[in-house]
Amino acid sequence: QSVLTQPPSVSGAPGQRVTISCTGSSSNIGAGYDVHWYKQVPGTAPKLLIYSNIHRPSGVPDRFSGSKSGTSASLGITALQADDEADYYCQSYDRSLSGSVFGGGTKLTVL
Amino acid sequence: QLQLQESGPGLVKSSETLSLTCSVSGGSISRFSYFWAWIRQPPGKGLEWIGSVYYRGNTYYNPSLKSRVTISVDTSNNHFSLTLNSVTAADTAFYYCAKDRGYQQAGRDAFDLWGQGTAVTVSS
Repeated sequence: QSVLTQPPSVSGAPGQRVTISCTGSSSNIGAGYDVHWYKQVPGTAPKLLIYSNIHRPSGVPDRFSGSKSGTSASLGITALQADDEADYYCQSYDRSLSGSVFGGGTKLTVL
Repeated sequence: QLQLQESGPGLVKSSETLSLTCSVSGGSISRFSYFWAWIRQPPGKGLEWIGSVYYRGNTYYNPSLKSRVTISVDTSNNHFSLTLNSVTAADTAFYYCAKDRGYQQAGRDAFDLWGQGTAVTVSS
């Protein structure tokens, strides 16, 4: 059971918009710690998509966006493309565990 | 441009010690204020932070693994290492080394550079 909860799967048609939620608690997201998002294509290493809740690293398209409110965060992907199909993970810090924690991951299927 | 590369045995016997090294190329491990981390992923499962090390040797571990883990840094050879004792089948995973962005305390920042990962299987 992950400290951060993500839906196991989401799906959308090409061109549509999807959101992936990441729900934590008052000891992690709700305590004000940043949330980061990664994309992992099976068989490859995770790639940073969003850092510090809302920021995109250089090279990440503006189709990807992040938001945070209370004890939750969300990753939004607009104009879905076939190569968006991957696993997505959120990450934050938990003060009770004194360490970094990840969500269980969400598999995005592009229909 | 910094690059990370994991190395180590792909097969470890149960109850023995897993040892991996992450070689850093393209820059000095001690030049920047980054935390260097180990993260693992069991087959078909999610990511788990194992721990992080600063170039000065300060270490931070996942409490669930703390009693069995040692992460160290070797600035002379520009690499950092992971040792995990008394392994069991539950330690079978893909092991990644990574660096954080360097703007926050250990475990709080995003990991913006990852190695390609190395598969470790614990056999009985």
